[in-house]
Amino acid sequence: EAQVTQNPRYLITVTGKKLTVTCSQNMNHEYMSWYRQDPGLGLRQIYYSMNVEVTDKGDVPEGYKVSRKEKRNFPLILESPSPNQTSLYFCASSLVGLGGNQIYEQYFGPGTRLTVT
Amino acid sequence: AQKITQTQPGMFVQEKEAVTLDCTYDTSDPSYGLFWYKQPSSGEMIFLIYQGSYDQQNATEGRYSLNFQKARKSANLVISASQLGDSAMYFCAINEGTALIFGKGTTLSVSS
Repeated sequence: EAQVTQNPRYLITVTGKKLTVTCSQNMNHEYMSWYRQDPGLGLRQIYYSMNVEVTDKGDVPEGYKVSRKEKRNFPLILESPSPNQTSLYFCASSLVGLGGNQIYEQYFGPGTRLTVT
Repeated sequence: AQKITQTQPGMFVQEKEAVTLDCTYDTSDPSYGLFWYKQPSSGEMIFLIYQGSYDQQNATEGRYSLNFQKARKSANLVISASQLGDSAMYFCAINEGTALIFGKGTTLSVSS
């Protein structure tokens, strides 16, 4: 089954304790992305990756890191989480157009609800 | 400036009626794509429909259609024959190249 998986689905942690949220897709998609969703703000892009070893900042990258060492995986790292990073996080993936600069519909993971106290 | 504007925080419709969810966008890029996603209360994001900026015809997918008015920069989602299961949050999004920007969403409530 084609899917994007995220782990963990729920996480409660304390300020400053490093954490990683994993994301994996089995559709051989070049493009992967992380979003956070907050009430009244919709989804905001954190980081995205066009392919292995290629990552770029989205709208709200501060406080986050990513890596893309393999095509299927795109982990999100919070080196020193703070309470303002309490949010619902989504990973997504999609194909890239032939020109290399156009993405198509994104397939989303189930979401990770993170609470930082 | 906001890239995507969804002016209706909440919409209410009765079963079997049609409903239009508004979306306007702002871009100077001639090549872009417009997407609509549905997010039910369970939280997952479900892709509904896509419209490319060069597409001549309005996109349709089953009961969903996109009323694309390029000159007005609007991409409204039309849901025909609403069902109770359509109750959800709906997001409009635009991609310019490799970035995808979402609007703040419209909550649709369908009643029997």
